[in-house]
Amino acid sequence: GAVVSQHPSRVICKSGTSVKIECRSLDFQATTMFWYRQFPKKSLMLMATSNEGSKATYEQGVEKDKFLINHASLTLSTLTVTSAHPEDSSFYICSATAPGGGNQPQHFGDGTRLSIL
Amino acid sequence: GQQLNQSPQSMFIQEGEDVSMNCTSSSIFNTWLWYKQDPGEGPVLLIALYKAGELTSNGRLTAQFGITRKDSFLNISASIPSDVGIYFCAGQEGGTSYGKLTFGQGTILTVHP
Repeated sequence: GAVVSQHPSRVICKSGTSVKIECRSLDFQATTMFWYRQFPKKSLMLMATSNEGSKATYEQGVEKDKFLINHASLTLSTLTVTSAHPEDSSFYICSATAPGGGNQPQHFGDGTRLSIL
Repeated sequence: GQQLNQSPQSMFIQEGEDVSMNCTSSSIFNTWLWYKQDPGEGPVLLIALYKAGELTSNGRLTAQFGITRKDSFLNISASIPSDVGIYFCAGQEGGTSYGKLTFGQGTILTVHP
């Protein structure tokens, strides 16, 4: 149980385009999902908390207009990197908290490798 | 942002050896989690700890939630080549930051056959 699917797994695009990444909870409903960014051999950096039916909460230093988050249903959150540039190239990972109350652990998707040329 | 202090940063061991890594924090966490990440994939949950002093095992893995709630360790016994990867500790907050994770810097484990 608690499977999180992320799509696409890899994307390569030209500078200036916008890229959408999907995060789905396959076998549970997630009112909260999280988006992380990870550089090679580094730890995960939380970008934002995605809340179903309300605005996302962004971490300090993360541009809201650059990284658009939409959590329209209990099983889907999307991250759109707008007008992407080479410095946005990174590994983006989402996670979702399994239901059950209390401090349930986060389960992660397999990540999206974004490369901007 | 805030990070946990995870050590060691990397380990090179022989197959069959035991491994130990730990995390410390200046903050108290409600939950401690240990994840393993393989190259190009997302982290996979290994062990979740919910109570101070709790000792939990998952196969060859054993982890403990420190009494002060500010530290945790992970032991791997009789390592095998597939244990290779990056191991992350994570502290989970409660209250208004419900569910938010703070990650350690990671421990890169290399196992020589």
